[in-house]
Amino acid sequence: GDSVTQMEGPVTLSEEAFLTINCTYTATGYPSLFWYVQYPGEGLQLLLKATKADDKGSNKGFEATYRKETTSFHLEKGSVQVSDSAVYFCALNTNAGKSTFGDGTTLTVKP
Amino acid sequence: EAGVAQSPRYKIIEKRQSVAFWCNPISGHATLYWYQQILGQGPKLLIQFQNNGVVDDSQLPKDRFSAERLKGVDSTLKIQPAKLEDSAVYLCARVLNSGSFIPGELFFGEGSRLTVL
Repeated sequence: GDSVTQMEGPVTLSEEAFLTINCTYTATGYPSLFWYVQYPGEGLQLLLKATKADDKGSNKGFEATYRKETTSFHLEKGSVQVSDSAVYFCALNTNAGKSTFGDGTTLTVKP
Repeated sequence: EAGVAQSPRYKIIEKRQSVAFWCNPISGHATLYWYQQILGQGPKLLIQFQNNGVVDDSQLPKDRFSAERLKGVDSTLKIQPAKLEDSAVYLCARVLNSGSFIPGELFFGEGSRLTVL
């Protein structure tokens, strides 16, 4: 079945550091890929998406590129802020309606 | 577009008791999802509705969980009897943009946190 594997956390960075959160997937067919974010005390919200190979999703300074050859969708940001502290979830959907999520990576950014 | 309303936000019950959660996608979206998120894990789909019909309930523990969506608007998820392992956040979601539907592009409610003692 479909699966998503995220790098284990927690991840702690200083403000303005470079961020990478790794995500790899296994899926039948050609999935759409997503990153969701959950800020403290808030619900899950979509951060960015990519629907086909080589697409780059971007939002709020975050980027992720759909790599079919390595089945990866790593999340990156060049300079993190304290306000980026949250739990980040990688997810896929194979047009079958059901989304499969990773277990989340907790990011803490210190001033 | 408006959000997703869920209630209650928090519920504490003892094992073998029953509990019900309510969700309203507010803008009247046809597709509605219930997810279970156990602490330290990602959300897992319990059931997907299209209007008032069930599309996928393959991962719903039907011996204790039930869900309905009468009239294709709001929905109720019930657990009876609850077990300790049901402690989780129950998330309701709709599609993000009804005008340009991308499967997997979801808008979540804030969730209902259940603690079973």
